[in-house]
Amino acid sequence: GQQVMQIPQYQHVQEGEDFTTYCNSSTTLSNIQWYKQRPGGHPVFLIQLVKSGEVKKQKRLTFQFGEAKKNSSLHITATQTTDVGTYFCAGPGGTSYGKLTFGQGTILTVHP
Amino acid sequence: GAVVSQHPSRVICKSGTSVKIECRSLDFQATTMFWYRQFPKKSLMLMATSNEGSKATYEQGVEKDKFLINHASLTLSTLTVTSAHPEDSSFYICSASLGYEQYFGPGTRLTVT
Repeated sequence: GQQVMQIPQYQHVQEGEDFTTYCNSSTTLSNIQWYKQRPGGHPVFLIQLVKSGEVKKQKRLTFQFGEAKKNSSLHITATQTTDVGTYFCAGPGGTSYGKLTFGQGTILTVHP
Repeated sequence: GAVVSQHPSRVICKSGTSVKIECRSLDFQATTMFWYRQFPKKSLMLMATSNEGSKATYEQGVEKDKFLINHASLTLSTLTVTSAHPEDSSFYICSASLGYEQYFGPGTRLTVT
């Protein structure tokens, strides 16, 4: 079945530094979604990318979808302590609408 | 935005007993809901797809007789962990779709003693 690999597993940064997490799929994805899970919380939808080569920005967050639609990245500029959490990418997980296959997640720690 | 609730948020039960977890979509209808299991600092593992009015679809390796799912209405799905054992202790999260976004419940922390 489809696998979505995400790296790195952990990332520690000083506040103000940039952060990037990468997601790779073994197959072409029709779309990719990104979620954030705060410590002790539940995943919250951030964005969906659909088009080849698409780039979307949300304030300090930049999301990219590769030309081949097999990889994606999330880049945070000038991290803040509020960015702490686990960032997951997720691709379509099958025929059921809404079914997702999640990457392993990247746990981001921001040191003040 | 759409809200999904789960109840209970935490439960401790004795080995051999059964526990029911409820997942509700509060302000929208969901014909499909999903149940995940998450271990500490790990990803979400999809357990099953809950379909309103029909049988749930289980992922490979998930025992359907152990994890009973019922989706009796468009706003409620329940997951019952039967004959729970300590290895079933985990964080269980449900989600429901609204458009292409998944809205997750706050999760249920199950501890089996």
